[in-house]
Amino acid sequence: GENVEQHPSTLSVQEGDSAVIKCTYSDSASNYFPWYKQELGKGPQLIIDIRSNVGEKKDQRIAVTLNKTAKHFSLHITETQPEDSAVYFCAPWRSSSNTGKLIFGQGTTLQVKP
Amino acid sequence: GAVVSQHPSWVICKSGTSVKIECRSLDFQATTMFWYRQFPKQSLMLMATSNEGSKATYEQGVEKDKFLINHASLTLSTLTVTSAHPEDSSFYICSRLPAGTDTQYFGPGTRLTVL
Repeated sequence: GENVEQHPSTLSVQEGDSAVIKCTYSDSASNYFPWYKQELGKGPQLIIDIRSNVGEKKDQRIAVTLNKTAKHFSLHITETQPEDSAVYFCAPWRSSSNTGKLIFGQGTTLQVKP
Repeated sequence: GAVVSQHPSWVICKSGTSVKIECRSLDFQATTMFWYRQFPKQSLMLMATSNEGSKATYEQGVEKDKFLINHASLTLSTLTVTSAHPEDSSFYICSRLPAGTDTQYFGPGTRLTVL
């Protein structure tokens, strides 16, 4: 089965700085790579995703890069703001599995200091 | 994006009672839905997967007779925690996978506290 690891587990940055979170996975057949943001007491929200035929995707201050050879993908947040403070999860999966079963990373707690 | 609701948002119950949690898709139909459990400061752990019209598939270690899942329709599913005990206290989150897509949409979660 899929083995997913996220690094770092906690990340503290000053407002305006950039933050990068890395997710390593084991299943080479994984082809869908989402990042979720979870605020305290709420469900996860999809913030960006990428598919295996693309190497990078950007949406305003958020970007995701994928290295299929090395089996890792990263979340990049630029010009961080206090409202970016949350727990971020990666959850790579193989759509051909027909199960939709997501295996979540351990999560990264991002703290943006004003 | 797609909207998924859960009800109730939080519930407190006595040990030994049963609690039902509803998960609704508000603007789309989904043949597949998932129930997750999340303990404090931990990641989401999948409990079960169900497809409309078939029985749920439970993950290893999850008791199917304790966590009853009813995939009532393409827009409603329920999780019933039977004979709840304090160790069942957790944050329960549902997600739904619209047909033909690979993007899951999560509900806001239900905080269950068993006294």
